[in-house]
Amino acid sequence: EIVMTQSPATLSVSPGEGATLSCRASQSVSYNLAWYQQKPGQAPRLLIYRTSTRATGIPAGFSGSGSGTEFTLTISSLQSEDFAVYYCQQYNDWPLTFGGGTKVEIK
Amino acid sequence: EVQLLESGGGLKQAGESLRLSCTPSEFSFSSYAMSWVRQAPGKGLEWVSTISNFGGGTFYADSVKGRFTISRDNSKKTLFLQMDSLRVEDTAVYYCAKCFGPGSGSYFHDFWGQGSLVTVSS
Repeated sequence: EIVMTQSPATLSVSPGEGATLSCRASQSVSYNLAWYQQKPGQAPRLLIYRTSTRATGIPAGFSGSGSGTEFTLTISSLQSEDFAVYYCQQYNDWPLTFGGGTKVEIK
Repeated sequence: EVQLLESGGGLKQAGESLRLSCTPSEFSFSSYAMSWVRQAPGKGLEWVSTISNFGGGTFYADSVKGRFTISRDNSKKTLFLQMDSLRVEDTAVYYCAKCFGPGSGSYFHDFWGQGSLVTVSS
């Protein structure tokens, strides 16, 4: 099983500042990495797939990068609606696996 | 926009069975693989199972293999998760999720239902 490790677990950021979230895979997942955003009481929402492709309707302030085992989600300037939990997911191999999540909270 | 509606959740005792259903809004259901993903209270996301677009391929997490069965009826546009031998640790919100495509390389999830709570008591 490919283990996905996200860091940090919690990130405190002031509105308007940027944020960088990390996701590490225990073995290469090539570019088969997706990012999701989840707000309290809501279902997850797809942000990024294939490492760096934004899903439909996702603003340009969200960007993804990386390959192999190291991936990054960057939020350029945090708006109030961006404070949430973010998960990465690899889909390179079975079983599909998610990271434990990074909570982005207001500083 | 694609909408997914789960049903069938509820309270069960350990060892009992439950079947979840997921019905989508209008989209070409048979063109896409579908998954179930769960989230225990206060915890992260855990993939449970995925079925290919025509049902020929099914995949399971080790934690549910042999107890849960995913299936689909493309003629009725419905996804199912049969959950047998339920355990307390199966307590979670179960999300139905649409995969991006029919198969390999597309097993990430672009639309999600609102979730159905399954509670298993001892």
